[in-house]
Amino acid sequence: EAGVAQSPRYKIIEKRQSVAFWCNPISGHATLYWYQQILGQGPKLLIQFQNNGVVDDSQLPKDRFSAERLKGVDSTLKIQPAKLEDSAVYLCASSRGRSGELFFGEGSRLTVL
Amino acid sequence: GENVEQHPSTLSVQEGDSAVIKCTYSDSASNYFPWYKQELGKRPQLIIDIRSNVGEKKDQRIAVTLNKTAKHFSLHITETQPEDSAVYFCAARSLGGGADGLTFGKGTHLIIQP
Repeated sequence: EAGVAQSPRYKIIEKRQSVAFWCNPISGHATLYWYQQILGQGPKLLIQFQNNGVVDDSQLPKDRFSAERLKGVDSTLKIQPAKLEDSAVYLCASSRGRSGELFFGEGSRLTVL
Repeated sequence: GENVEQHPSTLSVQEGDSAVIKCTYSDSASNYFPWYKQELGKRPQLIIDIRSNVGEKKDQRIAVTLNKTAKHFSLHITETQPEDSAVYFCAARSLGGGADGLTFGKGTHLIIQP
């Protein structure tokens, strides 16, 4: 089966600009996660969706980050305006159910200058 | 929320020797503990996991042990090979409040010396 697809793979922007990342989970996976991985650290959960509803967004900086999962399939993560400390890899993951194995995408590497 | 501590941050072993990575967690409600391997520039990939009703699980050269009382779990790799070189992350899943995303440790960079 096809894996988790993410785009773009790389993005370089100036601070205060905006950026959007897209994720297409594995077909049939109801649960979708966005993680932020800063260089040298473990992934940090930003938001979790179950179908098209938000289960957990407690660590999402809501003043600048937003995410949506329309129709319970694809998801978009947006940052506006970006700060230097947002430089990281944004990983999307999906699982069949809420207690299932997580499958990660290749990630979108963001550099904020 | 859950907090996961992982040690050591870097581990260098001779090829053929064993490697052990240790993690502790804070939330006694956590019941799922996976280990991920991440090669440079690649996605994290699950290598083994354990649930809280089991004390040990083994898959060829890889094993994980869990001590629920002490709230710690460990990854054991025997007969290490050059392809084992990577960053390894432990994680814990807490089921509190309807959210069940994984909380990750900071990672261990495993270096296999030829």
